[in-house]
Amino acid sequence: QVQLQESGPGLVKPSETLSLTCTVSGGSISSYYWSWIRQSPGKGLEWIGYMYYSESTNYNTNYNPSLKSRVTILIDTSKNQFSLSLSSVTAADTAVYYCARRYGSRGYLDHWGQGTLVTVSS
Amino acid sequence: EIVLTQSPATLSLSPGERATLSCRASQSISSYLAWYQQKPGQSPRLLIYDASSRATGIPARFSGSGSGTDFTLTISSLEPEDFALYSCQQYSNWPWTFGQGTKVEIK
Repeated sequence: QVQLQESGPGLVKPSETLSLTCTVSGGSISSYYWSWIRQSPGKGLEWIGYMYYSESTNYNTNYNPSLKSRVTILIDTSKNQFSLSLSSVTAADTAVYYCARRYGSRGYLDHWGQGTLVTVSS
Repeated sequence: EIVLTQSPATLSLSPGERATLSCRASQSISSYLAWYQQKPGQSPRLLIYDASSRATGIPARFSGSGSGTDFTLTISSLEPEDFALYSCQQYSNWPWTFGQGTKVEIK
């Protein structure tokens, strides 16, 4: 059974870059679609973006247009991990951040990490 | 961006009662809708996909219906473990979006 675990700083200063890592265990990171989702009290769940990697098609990403200018999702196949970077953060980026896996190429999520709270504050 | 509006925001019911949750899309999404259940301190759990298909291991008391812009999640007889937050999500148009959620609480 695949499991996902988020890790990273719980506190980030305004204007700095939020960086999180998702470690995938129990299965390969290749040939699946991996996502970052966040949840803040005032806005509910928000899909940040997703990435796909396979040895044949290489690597592609798709980001939410509302965050696209600040988001990067990368993969490290040697560690079975993928990461999220969100630059120039403000208090509005305070949220619980989840990594998750899509069901095949479908647009819904069948495996989630436990989530990690990131607070943006000086 | 497609906006999903869930109603009511809170549903107060007793165990054994029937729960009916609504999700309305700002434009047609065909049947590209999923439902998730989330308990406090936990991550969401997939219940329903393609508007009416139950995910693996989901009890038969959960059912989904609808297409186009109007969708319903029904819990036929509430069990104690069903009191939670329920969110709908569309995957018709990117960015895929979620509703604000309906909290089902014990009356």
